[in-house]
Formats: sequence, C-alpha cells, structure tokens
Amino acid sequence: GAGVSQSPSNKVTEKGKDVELRCDPISGHTALYWYRQSLGQGLEFLIYFQGNSAPDKSGLPSDRFSAERTGGSVSTLTIQRTQQEDSAVYLCASSSYRGHSPEAFFGQGTRLTVV
Amino acid sequence: KQEVTQIPAALSVPEGENLVLNCSFTDSAIYNLQWFRQDPGKGLTSLLLIQSSQREQTSGRLNASLDKSSGRSTLYIAASQPGDSATYLCAVRQGGNTPLVFGKGTRLSVIA
Repeated sequence: GAGVSQSPSNKVTEKGKDVELRCDPISGHTALYWYRQSLGQGLEFLIYFQGNSAPDKSGLPSDRFSAERTGGSVSTLTIQRTQQEDSAVYLCASSSYRGHSPEAFFGQGTRLTVV
Repeated sequence: KQEVTQIPAALSVPEGENLVLNCSFTDSAIYNLQWFRQDPGKGLTSLLLIQSSQREQTSGRLNASLDKSSGRSTLYIAASQPGDSATYLCAVRQGGNTPLVFGKGTRLSVIA
C-alpha cells in the first residue's frame, strides 16, 4: 500500500481479555517497529523487526506482550490478559535502507482502551 | 543510553512569527535525525530527515539543522500559520535500521 496501515483504529476491551493489533508496513520495507504512546507521554519503543526476526525486544513491558512478523510484511502485536495500564495508542512504523539513510514512516495508530 | 530532550515543552506564538524548536541528544554517534509532526489523535508525519553527514535540510517553510558534535538540532519554522499547530517530535537513530529514540515533543500553538 501507499502508507503504513494499522487496524483496528480503535479497540475497547475488557480487562483480562486478549487483543491483537495489526500493522501492514509499506511494501518492500524491511524494518518494522512498534511503539506505545500513553496519554501525555512520549513514544515508548516496544519491539523492532528486521525481516521476520526481532533483534530488539527490549521494550516489551511484560511477558503478556508478544509480536510476530510473517513473510517480511504484516506484523501482529498481541497483548494477553489486558490491564488498564495497557491503555494507550500503539503506533507502528516501517523503514527501508536502500543505500541511503533510512526514513521511518508511521501508521495512524490503534487506540486501545481497557475498561 | 541515548536520551533526547526537547525544549520548550510547549510554545504559543502569534501567526506570522518565525520560531525555533530545540532538540538535544546525549550520544553524538547518531546515524540520522528525523523531525515529525503529530496532530491530536493522529499518527506521526515525517517532516525532515537529516543524515549524520549533513548540516541542514529544508522543506518549504521548514529548516532543520544538525550539529552532531554538540548533540543538537533545531527546527526553524518561518512565517508560522495556525495550521502549523501540532506537536513536533525529534528522533535520532544510532545506526542502520535500528529503532528511533524520541524526545517528548514540543506542543506548538499558533494563534490567529
């Protein structure tokens, strides 16, 4: 597609339920990133994929969070047993290094509300 | 660990003014620096990308400078307009496709 696409745009879930957030990166972009933005806070790095592998998972806040990427394209961020503190906007970005400096492009985000 | 600081946290200016947003980073060994704009409830829009070997980049009324050795970047907005009202975020990359490290942003309000 023309840009990074995220779905759903909004998700309201009950505490304790599992949620899946989806990211479709720009076609051909090898790197994919997940960030979280809580109300009034900066962007918090969660996980980064190069192709299908995740060289850096250091930002995942707990073992309830996991992510995968298949076919070097779509990525899914899964949050198990959601808690109210998981409420935030989850942003996905992709970039590609083609011999010049990589530039990151972001999706519109998924606003997650845990009630 | 790389840390990015943006000053001021918020800024309000009358329409037509020129303004400067500041960004500083603790580790000068960066690969590139990117300025973004975020409108309320929206994702991030890339404004300018400066490679570590460059000193500045320009796009329309925007000019971004980079002084890597001192760990600083500025975003200059000329002749500000109400439509420029948004949060401006600075982010640095340490290498290749590694993740961006973000500042907390500057919330800009341009008053008509």
